Amino acid sequence: DAGITQSPRHKVTETGTPVTLRCHQTENHRYMYWYRQDPGHGLRLIHYSYGVKDTDKGEVSDGYSVSRSKTEDFLLTLESATSSQTSVYFCAISEGTGYYGYTFGSGTRLTVV
Amino acid sequence: EDQVTQSPEALRLQEGESSSLNCSYTVSGLRGLFWYRQDPGKGPEFLFTLYSAGEEKEKERLKATLTKKESFLHITAPKPEDSATYLCAVQVYNFNKFYFGSGTKLNVKP
Repeated sequence: DAGITQSPRHKVTETGTPVTLRCHQTENHRYMYWYRQDPGHGLRLIHYSYGVKDTDKGEVSDGYSVSRSKTEDFLLTLESATSSQTSVYFCAISEGTGYYGYTFGSGTRLTVV
Repeated sequence: EDQVTQSPEALRLQEGESSSLNCSYTVSGLRGLFWYRQDPGKGPEFLFTLYSAGEEKEKERLKATLTKKESFLHITAPKPEDSATYLCAVQVYNFNKFYFGSGTKLNVKP
């Protein structure tokens, strides 16, 4: 996953606590995305960013917020974690609007107990 | 409603046994169809983009084709290292609308 790292790789948290996942890129790509992957659902877009401080919602954005204060960093926050947010979270980047595909990070496995 | 469906969900092949994976889609305004490979514990890795019906792309033992309703990923003489989950995704002309299928898990036995 050259140029894109996610942290942490694994996290266990308790219901009701806030959680922040970090995505860091060194490619200077304008577009960044947060997806979640669940069995039987494929990858679903949570939020995306098209520039510093420019973000928009995806199809499953309820309970999540994002921030992008620098080109290289895109943060995903679960405001009050619930068990339904147990999932694998992937960050992705693209040079343009994804026309040439995305580059994905290695993922964060989040368990909410 | 925009939708992407992959079949089969899982496929077991013997080494050298060729086969095809299917990705059917119903979207309005297809901009591109994408194939990704995903290994366990890793993020998807981009393989191909197909932009128009009739287009084909090849990479080693993989060949992707596209029609107006579906795409096929043909695997010729697969090897165990081809074992992975293969995902397809479609992008529509509405900005940043990508729809992923649930994937086909391929297991190639030696």
